[in-house]
Amino acid sequence: DIQMTQSPSSVSASVGDRVTITCRASQVINGLLAWYQQKPGKAPKLLIYTVSTLQSGVPSRFSGSGSGTDFSLTISSLQPEDFATYYCQQDYSFPLTFGGGTKVEIK
Amino acid sequence: QVQLVESGGGVVQPGRSLRLSCAASTFTFSNYHMHWVRQAPGKGLEWLAQISSDGTNQYYRDSVKGRFTISRDNSKNTVYLQMNTLRPEDTAMYYCARRRDVVVGNTLDSWGQGTLVTVS
Repeated sequence: DIQMTQSPSSVSASVGDRVTITCRASQVINGLLAWYQQKPGKAPKLLIYTVSTLQSGVPSRFSGSGSGTDFSLTISSLQPEDFATYYCQQDYSFPLTFGGGTKVEIK
Repeated sequence: QVQLVESGGGVVQPGRSLRLSCAASTFTFSNYHMHWVRQAPGKGLEWLAQISSDGTNQYYRDSVKGRFTISRDNSKNTVYLQMNTLRPEDTAMYYCARRRDVVVGNTLDSWGQGTLVTVS
């Protein structure tokens, strides 16, 4: 199985801050990396797929980058509605695997 | 707006069975591969199974292979998860999700609201 390691596990930030979350895969995943946002009591929501493609309707302050085994999600200017938990996921091979999550909290 | 509505969760004793359903609407269900993903209380996301659009191919994570079965009825726009020999560690919120319509990859672009299964 491909292991996905996210860091940090949590981050405290203020509105307007730039936040970057990293995700490392245990092997090359050919750019098949997605990011999801989950708010408490809600289902996950797709933000980004194939490393850097924004899902329709997702604000442009979200961006993804990376290659090989190392990837990142950046929120350029944190908004109140962005406080949530973020997960990376490799969709290169079965079983699909997710990172452990990064909780973005209000400072 | 894609709609996925799960049902069938509840409290069940260890060793018993449960069948979850996920009713889809507002899109052409038979064109999409479908998945089940679960989330134990306070934990992260764990992928369980995929079924192809025509129902002919299924994939499972090892820990549920042989106990869980994913199936679908395209005439009813519904995907199912039959769960047998349930264990306390199967306690989780269970989500169905739609795979993005692509040739390569398994990004999940729409999710249901989830149905809670408690094994106790």
